[in-house]
Amino acid sequence: AQRVTQPEKLLSVFKGAPVELKCNYSYSGSPELFWYVQYSRQRLQLLLRHISRESIKGFTADLNKGETSFHLKKPFAQEEDSAMYYCALQPDSWGKLQFGAGTQVVVTP
Amino acid sequence: GAGVSQSPRYKVAKRGQDVALRCDPISGHVSLFWYQQALGQGPEFLTYFQNEAQLDKSGLPSDRFFAERPEGSVSTLKIQRTQQEDSAVYLCASSSPKSGSWDEQFFGPGTRLTVL
Repeated sequence: AQRVTQPEKLLSVFKGAPVELKCNYSYSGSPELFWYVQYSRQRLQLLLRHISRESIKGFTADLNKGETSFHLKKPFAQEEDSAMYYCALQPDSWGKLQFGAGTQVVVTP
Repeated sequence: GAGVSQSPRYKVAKRGQDVALRCDPISGHVSLFWYQQALGQGPEFLTYFQNEAQLDKSGLPSDRFFAERPEGSVSTLKIQRTQQEDSAVYLCASSSPKSGSWDEQFFGPGTRLTVL
């Protein structure tokens, strides 16, 4: 069965410090991986997806098929990065998203 | 343009009542998804529509849950005889998948259902 694991419920970092959110998945095929973000009082929105190979708001994520991981990284955290982050797996191009439980990031000045 | 909208934003129901939650997707979006998000958890898939066809309802937790999208635009999620465990935020998302592409799902603000 497919599964997405985010081991950290809460990550507290200082402004300017690096931040890494862990995401591990289990799936027998080749899924697409996403990171979604939810800022305070806002709706869930796409941050980045593996297939685009983009860097959004300074965040990058590398797919490691050997370790089945898709960790999200940013070298210098900003206060506006404080939010809830969800890793998600999509097995089919049209299909449902399987989300992890989320990691709350708090960036303190 | 307008994003995905949902109504009501908040709903309080007494145990045993029926509720109906509405989703207005982005105009022209073919695909529509419903998710349930319990407190402290990530969203969990409930059901998926492509136009008016319900192609996947594997996530519906019981036969008390029913969804429809009769004209391929607005969708309604109905929960009959609500139970306390139905308390959650119900999210709707829409997308316009192109053949062979992985398209972004756009989420609504959610409906927070509290069953007393």
